[in-house]
Amino acid sequence: GDSVTQMEGPVTLSEEAFLTINCTYTATGYPSLFWYVQYPGEGLQLLLKATKADDKGSNKGFEATYRKETTSFHLEKGSVQVSDSAVYFCALENNNNDMRFGAGTRLTVKP
Amino acid sequence: DAEITQSPRHKITETGRQVTLACHQTWNHNNMFWYRQDLGHGLRLIHYSYGVQDTNKGEVSDGYSVSRSNTEDLPLTLESAASSQTSVYFCASNDEGALTGELFFGEGSRLTVL
Repeated sequence: GDSVTQMEGPVTLSEEAFLTINCTYTATGYPSLFWYVQYPGEGLQLLLKATKADDKGSNKGFEATYRKETTSFHLEKGSVQVSDSAVYFCALENNNNDMRFGAGTRLTVKP
Repeated sequence: DAEITQSPRHKITETGRQVTLACHQTWNHNNMFWYRQDLGHGLRLIHYSYGVQDTNKGEVSDGYSVSRSNTEDLPLTLESAASSQTSVYFCASNDEGALTGELFFGEGSRLTVL
């Protein structure tokens, strides 16, 4: 079945460092891909998405490009801030609201 | 503003007791979902509903039930709580007409079964 594998954490970075969180997927067809973020004590919220190959999703300085050839959707940010500390989930949706999530990666950014 | 709310936010119960977690959304979304979040597993789908009187089993439905008597609410019931059901539970919803399945999540309910 469809699945998502993402880089295990936790990840600890200093402020202004470059961030990459790897995400690869297995799916039939052409899924939509998402990154969700969960701040402490809150529910998940959509960070960015891409619906077809070569699309780049971006929001709040984060970017991810839908790479069909490598079945990947890696999350990047050029300069992280303390406020980016959260858990990040990669997800895919293939058939009508069947959303599959990765295990989540906890990011801690230190001043 | 429209929102999705869960209650209780924290619950401690004993093995064998029945527990109901409430989920209420004011977006008028047709689709509603319950997930559990466990370390190392991410979110796993328990049950979901595409409208009033519609319910479906997800990946980890054993020991759980839901009912959908109106658009706004999808309560999740644990018929006989087990320690393996200690988890954080998230309710989510989205619009039937959405082109992609972006989900809107509640803040979660932390359940501890002793």
